[in-house]
Amino acid sequence: GAGVSQSPSNKVTEKGKDVELRCDPISGHTALYWYRQSLGQGLEFLIYFQGNSAPDKSGLPSDRFSAERTGGSVSTLTIQRTQQEDSAVYLCASSSSSGGRYEQYFGPGTRLTVT
Amino acid sequence: SQQGEEDPQALSIQEGENATMNCSYKTSINNLQWYRQNSGRGLVHLILIRSNEREKHSGRLRVTLDTSKKSSSLLITASRAADTASYFCATAVNNDMRFGAGTRLTVKP
Repeated sequence: GAGVSQSPSNKVTEKGKDVELRCDPISGHTALYWYRQSLGQGLEFLIYFQGNSAPDKSGLPSDRFSAERTGGSVSTLTIQRTQQEDSAVYLCASSSSSGGRYEQYFGPGTRLTVT
Repeated sequence: SQQGEEDPQALSIQEGENATMNCSYKTSINNLQWYRQNSGRGLVHLILIRSNEREKHSGRLRVTLDTSKKSSSLLITASRAADTASYFCATAVNNDMRFGAGTRLTVKP
């Protein structure tokens, strides 16, 4: 079946511009996560959506970052007024809580470069 | 923080040797998972061990969990050059998951 997809795969933007990153989770997965990974570093948690519950936004680094998940499926991560330090790979993952499995399925990521 | 922390940060071994990576965490968890990442892109799930389990095997992978010490280890036996990757542990409380910084494993042919 289809896995998690993300678009675009690469994005180059000028400092100060806004960007939108998209994530299509696996159909039926109730949980969706966004992470950020700088070169050679671990995963930095950004935000977590679980069903219809209020999202856990505790990882968003500043108010320039926001995310929404429409209809419990597709999610968009928006970064306003991008800065060079926002350059990273942004990873999306989804998981199903059925059967208590909880393993995450990752998309290929979006590599964001802010010039 | 429930976030896992792996050690070592980097590990270099010869093909055929075993590789052991460790993970420590701070809070109670439902399960702990290990993931692999190639080329800085999406992670691939390797194995999940529940908090009431102590050891689990999958092919050449062996994972242990010691909840009293809040630690886990991942052993890769008979390593291959293709095992070269970054390995991350992730601790989960229900669906809320946090990842460590990872161990970069290099297996030399």
